[in-house]
Amino acid sequence: EPEVTQTPSHQVTQMGQEVILRCVPISNHLYFYWYRQILGQKVEFLVSFYNNEISEKSEIFDDQFSVERPDGSNFTLKIRSTKLEDSAMYFCASSGAAARGEKLFFGSGTQLSVL
Amino acid sequence: QKEVEQNSGPLSVPEGAIASLNCTYSDRGSQSFFWYRQYSGKSPELIMFIYSNGDKEDGRFTAQLNKASQYVSLLIRDSQPSDSATYLCAVIGYGNKLVFGAGTILRVKS
Repeated sequence: EPEVTQTPSHQVTQMGQEVILRCVPISNHLYFYWYRQILGQKVEFLVSFYNNEISEKSEIFDDQFSVERPDGSNFTLKIRSTKLEDSAMYFCASSGAAARGEKLFFGSGTQLSVL
Repeated sequence: QKEVEQNSGPLSVPEGAIASLNCTYSDRGSQSFFWYRQYSGKSPELIMFIYSNGDKEDGRFTAQLNKASQYVSLLIRDSQPSDSATYLCAVIGYGNKLVFGAGTILRVKS
């Protein structure tokens, strides 16, 4: 079964450093998403991406965050200057159509720890 | 008002019993409703989706939707210890984003 792949599985960084979280969505999918889950809290929407541009973003997704699809397969989330409160599990997801009518496939996540 | 609300639990049921999980949502225009299962430290896994009022059955799982009451539920029949997880209700409301509730912890005791 096709799957969404995320790397690394764990990332430890110092406050103020830049991190890039990587995702390889399912190959024929067109819609891409980043979600995060702080320990013990709910899964929160960050951003959706379609046709090489952001289609929607949450209030969490401020200027410190950016997304990019640098080639035909990778989808990245960059956090420019990490803060302690950015520590969370970050999930990438993809779907073949708009989420309204199509299931989202989630990757296994990247656990980000900011020290 | 929270967009998607769930009782955090834990909900404890004996093996073989029916587990009933409930969810309410605030956006009356929501059209698509999902139940995800999440094991500790793992990613959400879709188990059911429902778009129309009424019941939808898939194996041991039944999703129920009542748009007038803005209420979604998930029934798990013949609960097994392997069903022990956090169950996340999620809703597509305004825009194309999937909004999750905080989840209900289910514990099935053998």
